[in-house]
Amino acid sequence: KNEVEQSPQNLTAQEGEFITINCSYSVGISALHWLQQHPGGGIVSLFMLSSGKKKHGRLIATINIQEKHSSLHITASHPRDSAVYICAVQGGSEKLVFGKGMKLTVNP
Amino acid sequence: EPEVTQTPSHQVTQMGQEVILRCVPISNHLYFYWYRQILGQKVEFLVSFYNNEISEKSEIFDDQFSVERPDGSNFTLKIRSTKLEDSAMYFCASSDGRGVAEETQYFGPGTRLLVL
Repeated sequence: KNEVEQSPQNLTAQEGEFITINCSYSVGISALHWLQQHPGGGIVSLFMLSSGKKKHGRLIATINIQEKHSSLHITASHPRDSAVYICAVQGGSEKLVFGKGMKLTVNP
Repeated sequence: EPEVTQTPSHQVTQMGQEVILRCVPISNHLYFYWYRQILGQKVEFLVSFYNNEISEKSEIFDDQFSVERPDGSNFTLKIRSTKLEDSAMYFCASSDGRGVAEETQYFGPGTRLLVL
């Protein structure tokens, strides 16, 4: 059973700061997903990656398969980035195993 | 942009009652999923569905739960006899399913179920 750990659990930042959210997992995977959960509860997929790095706008996701670790970076953070960021992994099937999420608050 | 929709957005029911949660996946998607999130806890996988049958299910998905694709657009989750601990947000998701398991999953807005 894969254990997915995220750190930190909560983060408060000032607008414009560079933010890093970490995710580690215990068992080898086939893919890792970064998801964003809004205060109302809705979940949006940000990235799915199996290796290397992906970038979309101000968001960058990286994964190190050997170290079983992934990071999500937010550049030039904005109050609208305030949300819960969730890491989830797949191990060769469709099933996602989720971390607890990290609550990000970006203050103006 | 196509999106997954779910109805109702909120449902309150009495313990022991049956509930049906409805989802309309993205139209050309082939894989469908149900997840749940108990308040304050992590999201948990319940079941995946492909080609009109269950592809994978978790230990949570016991005989009280069932899924169905009654027509070409809807995907439902039925809880036969609700328990207090079934109170949660239930998310439906779908993915393209064009041959690999590792795909972006698109989530619906969720149905918040409260069992009294």
